[in-house]
Amino acid sequence: GENVEQHPSTLSVQEGDSAVIKCTYSDSASNYFPWYKQELGKGPQLIIDIRSNVGEKKDQRIAVTLNKTAKHFSLHITETQPEDSAVYFCAASREGAQKLVFGQGTRLTINP
Amino acid sequence: GAGVSQTPSNKVTEKGKYVELRCDPISGHTALYWYRQSLGQGPEFLIYFQGTGAADDSGLPNDRFFAVRPEGSVSTLKIQRTERGDSAVYLCASSLTGTANYGYTFGSGTRLTVV
Repeated sequence: GENVEQHPSTLSVQEGDSAVIKCTYSDSASNYFPWYKQELGKGPQLIIDIRSNVGEKKDQRIAVTLNKTAKHFSLHITETQPEDSAVYFCAASREGAQKLVFGQGTRLTINP
Repeated sequence: GAGVSQTPSNKVTEKGKYVELRCDPISGHTALYWYRQSLGQGPEFLIYFQGTGAADDSGLPNDRFFAVRPEGSVSTLKIQRTERGDSAVYLCASSLTGTANYGYTFGSGTRLTVV
């Protein structure tokens, strides 16, 4: 089955700097890659996703890149703000699949 | 409701007891999912419902775990003879379609502690 590895497990950056979180996946048939943000005491919230027919997608300060050949994808947050502090999860699934396979999470801390 | 509602938010139970966790999905969402999130880990799939039926229960760890969705809306996750290893946050999610490719909406979870 699919296996998703995420790193780093923790990341601390200065406010205003960029943050990058990376994930690799094992199943070459996976074609949907969402990113979720989880704040303390809340459930994960979808922030951006990408499908395998594109290499990059951007939404304001957040972007995701996908390299299907290497089977890895990354989340990029620019101009970080204190409210970006949270745990971020990547995930992967196949076309038509019902379940997502999640990475282990990255705890991002933005230092003022 | 506007979001996925899970009750209770916290549950402490003694080893060996039976517990029920409830999930109220977004109105009109036919697909409902249960995930389990252990401390410091990502969510792990347990079971998926399409309407009233469990379309995929391959993630349930053993026969102590069971879930129902009798009317195609509210779902209950039931755990018998709880063990300390069952301690985790149990997340429910719903979606309009039956595939993961359009994202889920998660509830805030039930934190289960078995003592």
